[in-house]
Amino acid sequence: KQEVTQIPAALSVPEGENLVLNCSFTDSAIYNLQWFRQDPGKGLTSLLLIQSSQREQTSGRLNASLDKSSGRSTLYIAASQPGDSATYLCALNTPLVFGKGTRLSVIA
Amino acid sequence: SAVISQKPSRDICQRGTSLTIQCQVDSQVTMMFWYRQQPGQSLTLIATANQGSEATYESGFVIDKFPISRPNLTFSTLTVSNMSPEDSSIYLCSVEVWTEAFFGQGTRLTVV
Repeated sequence: KQEVTQIPAALSVPEGENLVLNCSFTDSAIYNLQWFRQDPGKGLTSLLLIQSSQREQTSGRLNASLDKSSGRSTLYIAASQPGDSATYLCALNTPLVFGKGTRLSVIA
Repeated sequence: SAVISQKPSRDICQRGTSLTIQCQVDSQVTMMFWYRQQPGQSLTLIATANQGSEATYESGFVIDKFPISRPNLTFSTLTVSNMSPEDSSIYLCSVEVWTEAFFGQGTRLTVV
């Protein structure tokens, strides 16, 4: 059974700092890995999708990497802003298995 | 991509009653997924709904408690039946388009 772990559970950084969120999984036979953002009490917004044959994806200030052999993915956020404050979830599909998320606070 | 409209966005219900949540997608999709997010927890898949067939439920979830309808390729409903305070959660529907998952804004349910 696939298990997904996200570290740290919470993170607080000053505005402008670069940061890395970690996601690890137990079964390397994955299909896709997807990173989401969730604002309090809201639904999920898809940030990046990495196909199993890919090693990374980039969108703006976000870069996600995937290393299946080590069972790890990272989400890199450059030049963080207060608007980045949210919970970040990684999930493997299909069907989606989620980690518990990292709650990020960016302090102005 | 896909745009998903979910209704209601939130509700407060009395224990013992039922609530039906609606999910409308802006394009035709084969499968629709229903998730539950309990307070402070991550998302757990409840069931997968295919048009024209019975939904497939995950371990720990049963049809009598969470009946699902899927009348066409753009619409689905999830009913939370005979509610108790333990059912207080955010319920979300999701679809996949070209392997990427998209979610509605969720229904925040509080059972009192």
